[in-house]
Amino acid sequence: GQQVKQSSPSLTVQEGGILILNCDYENDMFDYFAWYKKYPDNSPTLLISVRSNVDKREDGRFTVFLNKSGKHFSLHITASQPEDTAVYLCAAGINQGGSAKLIFGEGTKLTVSS
Amino acid sequence: DMKVTQMPRYLIKRMGENVLLECGQDMSHETMYWYRQDPGLGLQLIYISYDVDSNSEGDIPKGYRVSRKKREHFSLILDSAKTNQTSVYFCASSPGTGISAETLYFGSGTRLTVL
Repeated sequence: GQQVKQSSPSLTVQEGGILILNCDYENDMFDYFAWYKKYPDNSPTLLISVRSNVDKREDGRFTVFLNKSGKHFSLHITASQPEDTAVYLCAAGINQGGSAKLIFGEGTKLTVSS
Repeated sequence: DMKVTQMPRYLIKRMGENVLLECGQDMSHETMYWYRQDPGLGLQLIYISYDVDSNSEGDIPKGYRVSRKKREHFSLILDSAKTNQTSVYFCASSPGTGISAETLYFGSGTRLTVL
């Protein structure tokens, strides 16, 4: 089954608005949580990430919140802009026996309308 | 200029043919990955390589094999391609091994169509 899940396949928000992207995970051994951004026909790039010992990390308009007890993390985007239109992929990292891997969610397609 | 390069960008093959997808990185990263992206499924991990000849299965390795003979180069091989292997394949690399908090650097992807 899908270890990392994004519940919303797509979202639309007005320019200037605030939006929240959500991600749920199953394995409580995950210790790293990230959001990647992907434009069409481009490669995913890291947007923001957080280790499991931190509940929140802010970087400009982007904030990631981690709720370990709920196995949930989210990306908050403020003052949304048309260039935020992209697919957002959440990812959780796990280190098993000295080997690390990153598991991605299905992605949420965000459209910011002007 | 840090880069992950994938070749080819687009590829069309017939069912049963062999497929070779190439990936290179110029950052001396230890760890390299192959993912495939399908609609509604996100990025699914096929194989990880932690260094030369140190490869590990990901979540969906069936039907694929990999080769890493040089640190900067990681190949994905499909022996006798199937139509359900039509997908976009992404290669990625990260600096360390055994550290989950690593940024992945992705290539531009290879869009493979198996007819």
